[in-house]
Amino acid sequence: ETGVTQTPRHLVMGMTNKKSLKCEQHLGHNAMYWYKQSAKKPLELMFVYSLEERVENNSVPSRFSPECPNSSHLFLHLHTLQPEDSALYLCASSQEGLALTTSEQFFGPGTRLTVL
Amino acid sequence: AQTVTQSQPEMSVQEAETVTLSCTYDTSENNYYLFWYKQPPSRQMILVIRQEAYKQQNATENRFSVNFQKAAKSFSLKISDSQLGDTAMYFCAFMKHNNNDMRFGAGTRLTVKP
Repeated sequence: ETGVTQTPRHLVMGMTNKKSLKCEQHLGHNAMYWYKQSAKKPLELMFVYSLEERVENNSVPSRFSPECPNSSHLFLHLHTLQPEDSALYLCASSQEGLALTTSEQFFGPGTRLTVL
Repeated sequence: AQTVTQSQPEMSVQEAETVTLSCTYDTSENNYYLFWYKQPPSRQMILVIRQEAYKQQNATENRFSVNFQKAAKSFSLKISDSQLGDTAMYFCAFMKHNNNDMRFGAGTRLTVKP
């Protein structure tokens, strides 16, 4: 596997279910991101982890819970979601240098989530 | 807050012709980065081109080039010799220097017609 992978690619869940999205990067990067992509809206940054510590949380509801056990893996735990949470969830990674230079982000293929 | 505006929700172009996608942004920062990402129907988002704000020279990657107008806060993407594989959503993005928070525009859906 190369690049950024995400599983599952498609997920249908009820509002009372608990599920998790998984992201894995094979690029040796030290920062990972979760984005939400809804129809006809700009990508929304949800969470940022740098060196396995959460550095950004853009007012995301608590029914979304991220976890970053190591620099290669990122999870998004889902609980009691709403139909409006249906969207494409994208994971990305980047390499942040010691000088905090800004580098490009590499994206995974996304998980298409449908909440019934 | 930084905002990114793509005023063209959809565009089309004939194969082999040239098309320009528009992007404007709003920021008070002086040091930042601009990106164009491509998202084909398979959904994997890939970087097309990147521009550092401190560089006056416009970035170029093969058939893709940008027209970066810093004073006007404009960052358009020109695709020359369009190919069928260029059909995709194109997103303009902004990121401050030393910051992880990338802001995206709403995207432009480009269709290349044979």
